[in-house]
Amino acid sequence: QITLKESGPTLVKPTQTLTLTCTFSGFSLKSTGVGVGWIRQPPGKALEWLAVVYWDDDAHYRPSMRSRVAITKDTSRNHVVLTVSNMDPVDTGTYYCAHFTVGGLAYWGQGAVVSVSS
Amino acid sequence: SYVLTQPPSVSVAPGQTARVTCGGDNIGGKSVHWYQQKSGQAPVLVINFDADRPSGIPARFSGSNSGNTATLTISRVEAGDEADYYCQVYDSSGDHLVFGGGTKLTVL
Repeated sequence: QITLKESGPTLVKPTQTLTLTCTFSGFSLKSTGVGVGWIRQPPGKALEWLAVVYWDDDAHYRPSMRSRVAITKDTSRNHVVLTVSNMDPVDTGTYYCAHFTVGGLAYWGQGAVVSVSS
Repeated sequence: SYVLTQPPSVSVAPGQTARVTCGGDNIGGKSVHWYQQKSGQAPVLVINFDADRPSGIPARFSGSNSGNTATLTISRVEAGDEADYYCQVYDSSGDHLVFGGGTKLTVL
């Protein structure tokens, strides 16, 4: 059974760096073709893909966020970490991590709600 | 970058057929995945590889993809199908995942 769960702060101040952890089970991030992605959703708005890290350490980012976002994996702890620097109120929303293959994002975490406010 | 266009809303009566479209430049040459997101919940993959149904998804859900339009079709719509639906592709030119803007399905 594949599960993912996001954890991190619910409130950050403007200009601070957000660090979110995705803890997963039921699959290995060493398996060929497997990745873990981060997707966010501002309140009342559409899904936005942010980043993905693959089994081979390759990582890709949303072009508009490339300068602010980093994604890393720790396969020994089954963790994937997302950092977003220089947070702004427009970054408020629900942040999801999800299991990724060429077949799509088949398994999602429950989401972590993050608010940006002073 | 690659853009996917969905209608903001679709309305259908119970028992009827709902069609949600996803437009993109030569989208027929890409694999399209569809997600259902009910209020307050995480998205669920309902169609992958244009027309395949993951395990547990009812046969009422089907998909097609040709030319510049992909379509999610929900037959015999039920009240429980009311949700936001998103299409998604992998843009190999930039190694990006791209989502459409989402379509709110209302069951009248």
